[in-house]
Amino acid sequence: GAVVSQHPSRVICKSGTSVKIECRSLDFQATTMFWYRQFPKQSLMLMATSNEGSKATYEQGVEKDKFLINHASLTLSTLTVTSAHPEDSSFYICSVRKNRFIADTQYFGPGTRLTVL
Amino acid sequence: SQQGEEDPQALSIQEGENATMNCSYKTSINNLQWYRQNSGRGLVHLILIRSNEREKHSGRLRVTLDTSKKSSSLLITASRAADTASYFCATGTKETSGSRLTFGEGTQLTVNP
Repeated sequence: GAVVSQHPSRVICKSGTSVKIECRSLDFQATTMFWYRQFPKQSLMLMATSNEGSKATYEQGVEKDKFLINHASLTLSTLTVTSAHPEDSSFYICSVRKNRFIADTQYFGPGTRLTVL
Repeated sequence: SQQGEEDPQALSIQEGENATMNCSYKTSINNLQWYRQNSGRGLVHLILIRSNEREKHSGRLRVTLDTSKKSSSLLITASRAADTASYFCATGTKETSGSRLTFGEGTQLTVNP
């Protein structure tokens, strides 16, 4: 397995502010990290794939200028929700994968609950 | 888009009974995985079955895969109250840029003590 942490676990912010969420791989070097969003009682929607040292690949419909992803090291990826609005309120989950080119198991963080007032 | 469809959406059983959840998908896959999510938490990987496998076991879990019907099932035997959670199937596909998982809508399992 793998141990993945996220920080913060819960954040409440005012509309218009920016929020940074961290995802850390604690026990191995993750070349690939994924960011998902999950609305209540719904499935996970992939937002973007980030590969260490290169730009993130965003899914269709996800604004890259609003959801900034940085994967500057093999153990840390950050997601910044810029100019947050109430509709950005959601559960954000990251995952890591050891091998870039094999559709293998992903290891998930505990998630971050974002509430935008 | 989510290609996995899960059935049923919700399942309520008594402790000790078996629980069966089904997943259907549309495109070719490398593997299919099942994950579990407790309310408000992250996902925990349960089992992975590759496209050339038909059945796999892990403890009380049994997964089958029928690539001709593009479907999979997850069986939890002798269920416990602690099995109460949402269960998601996810299909793994290989693309030129790497690979990704696409999640189904999930089945909410409630095991009553």
